[in-house]
Amino acid sequence: DVKVTQSSRYLVKRTGEKVFLECVQDMDHENMFWYRQDPGLGLRLIYFSYDVKMKEKGDIPEGYSVSREKKERFSLILESASTNQTSMYLCASSLGTGRGKLFFGSGTQLSVL
Amino acid sequence: GDSVTQMEGPVTLSEEAFLTINCTYTATGYPSLFWYVQYPGEGLQLLLKATKADDKGSNKGFEATYRKETTSFHLEKGSVQVSDSAVYFCALSGLQGAQKLVFGQGTRLTINP
Repeated sequence: DVKVTQSSRYLVKRTGEKVFLECVQDMDHENMFWYRQDPGLGLRLIYFSYDVKMKEKGDIPEGYSVSREKKERFSLILESASTNQTSMYLCASSLGTGRGKLFFGSGTQLSVL
Repeated sequence: GDSVTQMEGPVTLSEEAFLTINCTYTATGYPSLFWYVQYPGEGLQLLLKATKADDKGSNKGFEATYRKETTSFHLEKGSVQVSDSAVYFCALSGLQGAQKLVFGQGTRLTINP
């Protein structure tokens, strides 16, 4: 089975801190994604990557950046955390020809105080 | 842009009741349509999908039919179980990046014994 592992289940940070969320997948998938999940808003795409060192902005990239130095790892970076970035963050991966079948990690609940 | 609208939740039913969760979409062209499910404490997982008009996706007793004329993809199950309690997300992948999914806001379903 495909496994997508997110480094932390719960994270508490202070306003202004630099925050790293890590995601690793073990199935050699080309595509990786970062979504945030908020009640009533569903999932919104922050950034995605089709290949190593490639990245594209999603629908809500402001305040975030990403890094993909290795195929299996996709990091989300909050340069200066703010309270409105308190959310559940979900990482996902898929094959290049996965036709919409995404494999998700179990999420990181980030609280910014 | 592309969008997905789901019926408002939460939805509470008794075991063995009939379930319908409505989903409508707006998209350019002919998107693929998906239902994902998120069980408590877990990431999302693909439940079913349909890639063209009149296709029916099915899995675990759930069904959904791609209706182009009404731009809908309603999720149905004839007899729900307590173990179906979860959050259900409707999603589409459109022309702009077949691997990028646009999600609805999610519908929380609770089944009482």
